[in-house]
Order: sequence, then structure tokens, then C-alpha cells
Amino acid sequence: QSVLTQPPSVSGAPGQRLTISCTGSSSNIGAGYEVHWYQQFPGTAPKLLIYNTNSRPSGVPDRFSGSKSGTSASLAITGLQAEDEADYYCQSYDSSLNGYLVFGGGTKLTVL
Amino acid sequence: EVQLVQSGAEVKKPGESLKISCKGSGYSFSSYYIAWVRQMPGKGLEWMGIIYPGDSYDFYIRYSPSFQGQVTLSVDKSISTAYLQWSSLKASDTAMYYCVRHRSGISDFIDYWGQGTLVTVSS
Repeated sequence: QSVLTQPPSVSGAPGQRLTISCTGSSSNIGAGYEVHWYQQFPGTAPKLLIYNTNSRPSGVPDRFSGSKSGTSASLAITGLQAEDEADYYCQSYDSSLNGYLVFGGGTKLTVL
Repeated sequence: EVQLVQSGAEVKKPGESLKISCKGSGYSFSSYYIAWVRQMPGKGLEWMGIIYPGDSYDFYIRYSPSFQGQVTLSVDKSISTAYLQWSSLKASDTAMYYCVRHRSGISDFIDYWGQGTLVTVSS
């Protein structure tokens, strides 16, 4: 059971806009801690996609964006492309039990 | 270019010990936290713990409650290498283990990942 909750899967057609939700609690996202997102292709290590809720590392297309409100956050992908098919994980910091990083369970994105 | 290069895949028997490594390059190794992340087969990511090499002889180490007492983190600053070790492996330790550069400050996140070390524990 992950501390942050994500839908197991989402799907969309090329060109569409879709969002992936990430729900936490008052000890992580709700406490004001930032949310970060990672993209993982099969058989490879995850890669930082979004940090500090809505900042993109160099090289990440602006089709990817993030937002946060209350105890939840979202990753939005516009102009969906076949190459976006991957697993996506949200991450935040949790202040309970001395504090540590927590992840969502991951969302498998399928491009139809 | 920041790189974290991990040691190769391991196949071990239950009860055996193991130490895997992660060599950092392309940045000041002592100035950044190193963390370890577990990914069990077909599952999500779990943050195991963090170590800060720092400039002194004492290293800052913190473990996730789920991994406290189960693994040991260490570092050798002289060769910019971090380690994750087990004293007695269990079948449930079978997983991919990633070493990562953990950014800590205003917020905590991972900006670079190693390629992963697959650990298989089977009798």
C-alpha cells in the first residue's frame, strides 16, 4: 500500500490531453511539501520528469506540466504521443516518523 | 555529466550476505545525498534510506522505517562510492535496487538515477 495514491492505469489517443492524479494526506502533500514526477520505460531506470510541482528539467517537453491543490497533485500531458507510453510515479516528502520520501504506486499510461 | 554507475546483477541464496555499490562521477560526491530505492518485480518505487558523505568523518544516515535494521548504508568518499548491504538475505529481498542522487533543501527529490542492480535471492 503506497502512501500516495495513483490510478493504476490511464489511456488516451494520440493528440489528446490526459491527467494522472496523485492523492496524499496532511503529512505529505497536504502539509505543503512539493510533488515531483518520474517517468519509467520498461527495463530502464526512472527519470525525473517534473520537480517542485511544476518545474521541468532541461530536455523535458512543455507538453508535461504539474499542479497541486490541497492533499492532491496532478500530472498533465497534452498532445499525447506514442512515445509517452510509460509508467509515471509521483513523489513527495512525508513528515511522519522522522520524515522520508514517499512515492505513489505508479500509473501505467497506454497510448491507444 | 552526472553519472551513478552501479555494480552488476547478483544471484544469492537465502541467508547469504551481499554488498552492492554505486560510484558517482561528474559532480562533487561529498556535497550531495545518496539514497537507495527498491523496486520489487512488477511493483512501484520504495525509498529505503539516505546517506550524506559530507566533509567530516561522520556520515549522516537515515533509514525509512520499513528498512531500518534490514539493510546498512555506507560510503567511501575516497573513491566516490556508496554501498548498500545485507547481512542475511531473504527471498523477499529479490528486487531491482537503484542508487540515486537525492536533492534535499527546500524540497526533497531525486535528480539522477543509477542504472539499477538486480538482486535475485533464491535457494
